[in-house]
Amino acid sequence: AQSVTQLDSQVPVFEEAPVELRCNYSSSVSVYLFWYVQYPNQGLQLLLKYLSGSTLVKGINGFEAEFNKSQTSFHLRKPSVHISDTAEYFCAVSGGNTGNQFYFGTGTSLTVIP
Amino acid sequence: GAVVSQHPSRVICKSGTSVKIECRSLDFQATTMFWYRQFPKQSLMLMATSNEGSKATYEQGVEKDKFLINHASLTLSTLTVTSAHPEDSSFYICSASPSGGAIIQYFGAGTRLSVL
Repeated sequence: AQSVTQLDSQVPVFEEAPVELRCNYSSSVSVYLFWYVQYPNQGLQLLLKYLSGSTLVKGINGFEAEFNKSQTSFHLRKPSVHISDTAEYFCAVSGGNTGNQFYFGTGTSLTVIP
Repeated sequence: GAVVSQHPSRVICKSGTSVKIECRSLDFQATTMFWYRQFPKQSLMLMATSNEGSKATYEQGVEKDKFLINHASLTLSTLTVTSAHPEDSSFYICSASPSGGAIIQYFGAGTRLSVL
């Protein structure tokens, strides 16, 4: 079965600084990878996804992520964060031998400091 | 883009009552819908997978008689929390996969359930 590890539960960063949120997954077969953002008391919004093709994926709000098969990672990056980026970020994996079920990481709380 | 509507957004009820939560795909047909539960400061835990016209598949540890799921049409799934107790208080989120797609899930805004 697939699993997802988000090593950083909380990431504080100053406004306009770069940020990287780490995500590692475990799977013996090809999978699809996703990053979602959740604002307080709201559902999840898709930031970006990797299905196939280019390993560098660009998403909304200036975020991007790179799929690294050898390191089984899918880290999320943004070169310059804004106050409005403060939210909870979830990495998720699906596909492989579990079909379309999603497995989520425990989340990373990003706090942008003015 | 694909929109999933979840209603109500917040519900407060007395212990022992039942609560129904609706999940609708507004602009696409969803063969499969998923129900998640999220505790404060934690990730989403899949409760069940709902396929239109068939019984839901529940994850291990989820009580089928407690959390009744109905997926009567390609655009509507409902989750009923029966005889709710304070420990059922949580944030419930649904998602839907377009028919024939299944790779992508679109999420509702969630329902905050508080059982007094």
